Amino acid sequence: GIQVEQSPPDLILQEGANSTLRCNFSDSVNNLQWFHQNPWGQLINLFYIPSGTKQNGRLSATTVATERYSLLYISSSQTTDSGVYFCAVRRNTGFQKLVFGTGTRLLVSP
Amino acid sequence: DARVTQTPRHKVTEMGQEVTMRCQPILGHNTVFWYRQTMMQGLELLAYFRNRAPLDDSGMPKDRFSAEMPDATLATLKIQPSEPRDSAVYFCASGSPPWGVRGNTEAFFGQGTRLTVV
Repeated sequence: GIQVEQSPPDLILQEGANSTLRCNFSDSVNNLQWFHQNPWGQLINLFYIPSGTKQNGRLSATTVATERYSLLYISSSQTTDSGVYFCAVRRNTGFQKLVFGTGTRLLVSP
Repeated sequence: DARVTQTPRHKVTEMGQEVTMRCQPILGHNTVFWYRQTMMQGLELLAYFRNRAPLDDSGMPKDRFSAEMPDATLATLKIQPSEPRDSAVYFCASGSPPWGVRGNTEAFFGQGTRLTVV
């Protein structure tokens, strides 16, 4: 099956710092989503971004489908950004299931 | 307010008991996923339905787990008998049509059921 790897696995930031999270995948995809799992366990949709670049406030994401990676940028981080960030992908073929990466655990300290 | 609703939110049960978790997908969504999240394994896909038909349940232990969609507004995940190793958070997600090769839609998750088997 498709492999989805995220880096770094853990990240500690001071409030106000910027960061870049990476998602690499091993096969062609037609769907890529970024999620934030908050400290209460909720999975919140951040971006649906199979290709191109999107921005939403302090967050932006870029997917280069031909090179099989996606990046999530967090600028001016806040303590509420803490949690785990997941990317999930859906292959171009097969059963179209959504496969999750291993996640990046982010801690933003005041 | 369109959202995926899961019940119960928390469940504590004794080993050997039957557990049923329920999910109401977003109205109009025809694709439903069940995931299990543990610290060791991350988010694992257990089952995947489209138009109420199971498409892939290869991630689900067949001897004790079963997943069904009795109608378009209800998906169930059942464990019988439950074991301590089943303790995890179980998430349901739904996606709107057309979910597929030409689909351009995203999946949304419920709040999860935290299961503890003692």
